[in-house]
Amino acid sequence: LAKTTQPISMDSYEGQEVNITCSHNNIATNDYITWYQQFPSQGPRFIIQGYKTKVTNEVASLFIPADRKSSTLSLPRVSLSDTAVYYCLVGDVVLNFGNEKLTFGTGTRLTIIP
Amino acid sequence: DTAVSQTPKYLVTQMGNDKSIKCEQNLGHDTMYWYKQDSKKFLKIMFSYNNKELIINETVPNRFSPKSPDKAHLNLHINSLELGDSAVYFCASSQEGGGASGDTQYFGPGTRLTVL
Repeated sequence: LAKTTQPISMDSYEGQEVNITCSHNNIATNDYITWYQQFPSQGPRFIIQGYKTKVTNEVASLFIPADRKSSTLSLPRVSLSDTAVYYCLVGDVVLNFGNEKLTFGTGTRLTIIP
Repeated sequence: DTAVSQTPKYLVTQMGNDKSIKCEQNLGHDTMYWYKQDSKKFLKIMFSYNNKELIINETVPNRFSPKSPDKAHLNLHINSLELGDSAVYFCASSQEGGGASGDTQYFGPGTRLTVL
């Protein structure tokens, strides 16, 4: 599994756009990039997933440069309820069931300030 | 309707005891997982079950054993609990399993285990 590196924490004011970047220099050809959101005392919740270029859904956008060695999660106009830990996960396409690790990193603790 | 549920939500017990955490998913998914989140918020995969077969087994002590009576359930049994087992344990499920690539994992609310 490709190792990921994210900032430990970020602060932002309400209404601003927040961009969280994840580095994954060892990403493999078949790896997808997935972002999860976790609130205190809750399980991680899927936000967005992509392979290359840009992906957008009703919650966020994901920007992936051509070399795919990093990705940026973009949250538009954040609110207080967006305060959470955000995890970047890079995984392999499952060609057969094997001993694949699905370990999350430290994540980025995002704090939204009123 | 809750997609992935776990019971109990909180579990406080003494060292040396044996305890179980139950997990159920009503999504019709083929694969279920158990994760452990430690005090530093690292989420580490412990087990993964697909069609009642163990397909991922991280280096966890054999005191931990997953039990899957059917595709919708994956329970976690822990024998001889130790202080270091204190953590939050999350159950998850996904349609296909094995990785994040094109396969979304849905997580339960977590079980906070405290070993005294």
